[in-house]
Amino acid sequence: AQTVTQSQPEMSVQEAETVTLSCTYDTSESDYYLFWYKQPPSRQMILVIRQEAYKQQNATENRFSVNFQKAAKSFSLKISDSQLGDAAMYFCAYRRIWGAQKLVFGQGTRLTINP
Amino acid sequence: DTEVTQTPKHLVMGMTNKKSLKCEQHMGHRAMYWYKQKAKKPPELMFVYSYEKLSINESVPSRFSPECPNSSLLNLHLHALQPEDSALYLCASSPYEGKTYEQYFGPGTRLTVT
Repeated sequence: AQTVTQSQPEMSVQEAETVTLSCTYDTSESDYYLFWYKQPPSRQMILVIRQEAYKQQNATENRFSVNFQKAAKSFSLKISDSQLGDAAMYFCAYRRIWGAQKLVFGQGTRLTINP
Repeated sequence: DTEVTQTPKHLVMGMTNKKSLKCEQHMGHRAMYWYKQKAKKPPELMFVYSYEKLSINESVPSRFSPECPNSSLLNLHLHALQPEDSALYLCASSPYEGKTYEQYFGPGTRLTVT
């Protein structure tokens, strides 16, 4: 069974600074998807970024980028120029490739942005 | 339209009540999901529907009964719930054909069982 581990229950960063959230996972499969989801206090889960395991290039979405290390099974999220609106719970998630499949979530990291 | 809608936003019910949660999407997605989320925890998958057929049931108690009347609509019927069933219930949808990508989540229904 696949597992996802987020070892940082809480993180804080000063506004405009950079923060990195950690995620490791375990799987025996060679192809899969990895995601970072954001859940602000208003509670709607929003996709931040996704990575396909067969792609070596790290995904980037504006201020959000990942460091995907497939051999190490590591998938960290870097948020640059942190903004107050980035405050949220961040979940790392794993999913198999084909069809309707369950998302396996990590326990989450609560990110606080200090003004 | 990349929106998943859920009604109601809040629901309070007694242990003997019967109620239903509703989820709707108009993105043409053929996979729909129900998750249960407790405070400060990640979502836990309950059910998956693929092409209006139940494809995954994560050993959910029978007091939760899902229904997918058509490709855009997903219901969760609730009966004889327990206080520990109080949680945020999230609906999600995703494409199904070929390699699929992210699940789009609705805002959730906050359920309180008294």
